[in-house]
Amino acid sequence: NAGVTQTPKFQVLKTGQSMTLQCAQDMNHNSMYWYRQDPGMGLRLIYYSASEGTTDKGEVPNGYNVSRLNKREFSLRLESAAPSQTSVYFCASSEAGRDGGLANYGYTFGSGTRLTVV
Amino acid sequence: ILNVEQSPQSLHVQEGDSTNFTCSFPSSNFYALHWYRWETAKSPEALFVMTLNGDEKKKGRISATLNTKEGYSYLYIKGSQPEDSATYLCAFTNDYKLSFGAGTTVTVRA
Repeated sequence: NAGVTQTPKFQVLKTGQSMTLQCAQDMNHNSMYWYRQDPGMGLRLIYYSASEGTTDKGEVPNGYNVSRLNKREFSLRLESAAPSQTSVYFCASSEAGRDGGLANYGYTFGSGTRLTVV
Repeated sequence: ILNVEQSPQSLHVQEGDSTNFTCSFPSSNFYALHWYRWETAKSPEALFVMTLNGDEKKKGRISATLNTKEGYSYLYIKGSQPEDSATYLCAFTNDYKLSFGAGTTVTVRA
């Protein structure tokens, strides 16, 4: 089915371990996003890529890095996991691009990755 | 950081009743306001993208209005049904990304 695919769905890490969350979309969307969702705080933007080849920091980028590998894939890396990074991570994509478009296009979300850092 | 606030945080509605709730956002540099519906154990799904002051959008029994001058949007559910139980998110943008509110969780009691 067309959409946004995130892997893994669940992960438990020990403090200090590293890991990469994968996200791929097959809708030829221009922009891709990583959000984290914590209770009572809503979705907070970690990093985004408004077009292939560009990445920008969001609201809460510390402790994370991203790679826009190609137009389809946008990965999120935790270099040294901390308990504060325990969260549910959502990847999203949109047909909107750097020339605008969020006035016309919404996000399509992946199913989320539940990460626990112990 | 763009401050997007939703109220109430949660509400309970009797089946068949109508309800509404609010999203407030910065009124300057407005570009678009989005509404998403998020059911438990699923991903958020887009409901509406709104751009014009005074605009009203409708999808079945759910509708939304927009006031960009004063910075608020209402979402209405008419004749609530159990399948309307979900968290409703609003999100504001003035560039290439969305800033989300914390959501209003609606529980419809049969």
